[in-house]
This record gives sequence, structure tokens and C-alpha cells, in this order.
Amino acid sequence: EIVLTQSPGTLSLSPGERATLSCRARQTVSSSDLAWYQHKPGQAPRLLIYDASSRATGIPDRFSGSGSGTDFTLTITRLEPEDFAVYYCHHYRSSHRTFGQGTKVEIK
Amino acid sequence: QVQLVQSGAEVKKPGASVRVSCKASGYTFTEYYLHWVRQAPGQGFEWMGWINPHSGVTDLEERFQDRVTMTRDTSISTAYMEITNLRSDDTAVYYCARQGVTWLGAWFDPWGQGTRVTVSS
Repeated sequence: EIVLTQSPGTLSLSPGERATLSCRARQTVSSSDLAWYQHKPGQAPRLLIYDASSRATGIPDRFSGSGSGTDFTLTITRLEPEDFAVYYCHHYRSSHRTFGQGTKVEIK
Repeated sequence: QVQLVQSGAEVKKPGASVRVSCKASGYTFTEYYLHWVRQAPGQGFEWMGWINPHSGVTDLEERFQDRVTMTRDTSISTAYMEITNLRSDDTAVYYCARQGVTWLGAWFDPWGQGTRVTVSS
């Protein structure tokens, strides 16, 4: 199975700042096999990005995904108050779907 | 709109069983695979397996194969996930999630709201 490691564990930022979240795979992942989700306490996880860089329907353009091979990035260009949450990357193409352990984006 | 609504929270004793339901609406239930994912307290997501609502065929992660059953009732567009012989480390929030597209091997969208299962004596 593909092990995904996210960093940092916690990101402390202020509204308006830029957030850069990393997801590193232990082995090469096809760019079409990686998604990002946002998760807030007590809510359903929300799809942000699929196929590494395609924005899901209704997702603001301040969210973008990039990367290939073993290194993938989720960027939030200007943090809005509603963006403070936990973010997970997800490898979905193999028979053993895996998630990263998450990056918490908290208000500084 | 596409929606998955799960059953309510459960509290069970060790050794008991629990069944969580996931009712789909807003799309043709039999056309999209459904997955089950759990999140233990303070932990990340753990994928458990999928069910093909059309055929009923399932594929479970190996660690869940002896205690987890996934079924569906197409007449009411509902999927079920049952865990038997519950242990304390089964305490988690359980989510159902639909594939974002009709073929297997794709992202999950949308997810259900989650069902908290607490296993405690």
C-alpha cells in the first residue's frame, strides 16, 4: 500500500496568509490518483481537489493542487476564516486506498 | 442534490455487533460504488472497503475481512456496514462515501455526515 506522509502536522497562520501543505508518498503515485479533502469537526469531509490538480465543483479558486511522482502540494492562496480545518491527502487508485495523517490549519 | 445520510450514534459493549446505515439520494444508487471509512479518536482516516450497490459485490481491506460485512438494499437506496465482535479499538466515527464517478478507483464525493460508534463496557 502507498504510505502518505503529510507535513507539517500543524500550520499556524493568520487570515489572508498563504498556506502550503505537503503530501509525500513513499513510492511513485500517478498524478491522476491523488485527492485532497477538508474536514471540520462534526462535518462530512469535503472534496477539494482530485487527480492532484483538478478543483472539485464549487471549490473556490484560492485552493489549488499540484505535484507529481512522490511530492504533492495543496495551496490556499489567501486564508479565509472558514478555511481553518484539517486537510487530508488521499491515494485512491490502488486496491488499498490510503490517507495521509492530516495537516491542521489553525488560526495564529 | 447528491446526499448520503447516515444512522445515529451507537454505544455498544465489547463483543456486541453494530450496523450502520447510509441512505443515498439525488442520484441512481446502483451506479456508484460506496466506500466505508473510519476515523478513531485523534487519528486519521482508515479505509475499510467498498460495495458495488448494483451487484452487491464487496472488497474489504484485509484487516476487516473477518468481522465486517457490507450489504445494501436497492429498494430503499441504502447501504449497510456491520461489525461483529466489537472491541474497544473499534470506537470511531464511521463514514460512508460515494465514488465521485461511476468507475472504481476514484476520489470520494460526497461523504456521509458520519456515525459515532462507542465501544465501552
